[in-house]
Amino acid sequence: GDSVTQTEGQVALSEEDFLTIHCNYSASGYPTLFWYVQYPGEGPQLLFRASRDKEKGSSRGFEATYDKGTTSFHLRKASVQESDSAVYYCALSDLNNYAQGLTFGLGTRVSVFP
Amino acid sequence: NTKITQSPRYLILGRANKSLECEQHLGHNAMYWYKQSAEKPPELMFLYNLKQLIRNETVPSRFIPECPDSSKLLLHISAVDPEDSAVYFCASSQEGQGAPGNTLYFGEGSRLIVV
Repeated sequence: GDSVTQTEGQVALSEEDFLTIHCNYSASGYPTLFWYVQYPGEGPQLLFRASRDKEKGSSRGFEATYDKGTTSFHLRKASVQESDSAVYYCALSDLNNYAQGLTFGLGTRVSVFP
Repeated sequence: NTKITQSPRYLILGRANKSLECEQHLGHNAMYWYKQSAEKPPELMFLYNLKQLIRNETVPSRFIPECPDSSKLLLHISAVDPEDSAVYFCASSQEGQGAPGNTLYFGEGSRLIVV
């Protein structure tokens, strides 16, 4: 079945550091890729999505580019703030497997210290 | 997020029956229940697309969903078990031609604690 792998389980940074979270996927079809962010006590919120090769998604200074060749969708932000502390999920949806909904990675907990 | 409302937000139960409620104000035609256990990603329990139920076969039969109309979703739980302690999220999306497939919007969740 489809799967999403996030390499980093936890990341600790100082404010203004550069953030990278690696995401690789495996899917039988041509999936749509997503980044979601989840703050404590809240539901996951969509950051952005990308549906085709080389498409770049971005929001709030975060960005990721759909790379079909390397099956990746790495999340980056040039200068993090304390308010970016949250859990970040890479996810995919595959219309060939619609009934499975979103497939999430295990998540990356990002802690940003002042 | 007031566009998807869930109630109750917190629930502490012994081995009892209870229902969780969800209403979405986004005009979406698909609704979902997800379960999120501690330190894990959300896991799909049920999907309603145009009121047709698609069930995750690993979900215990004590969980019974109900979709009274396209904007409302219920989750009936009978004889809860300690392993049911988790946050239950309702989500919705717009499915169909031209719609970005499976772009889900989540509610704030109902935290269930089984004692």
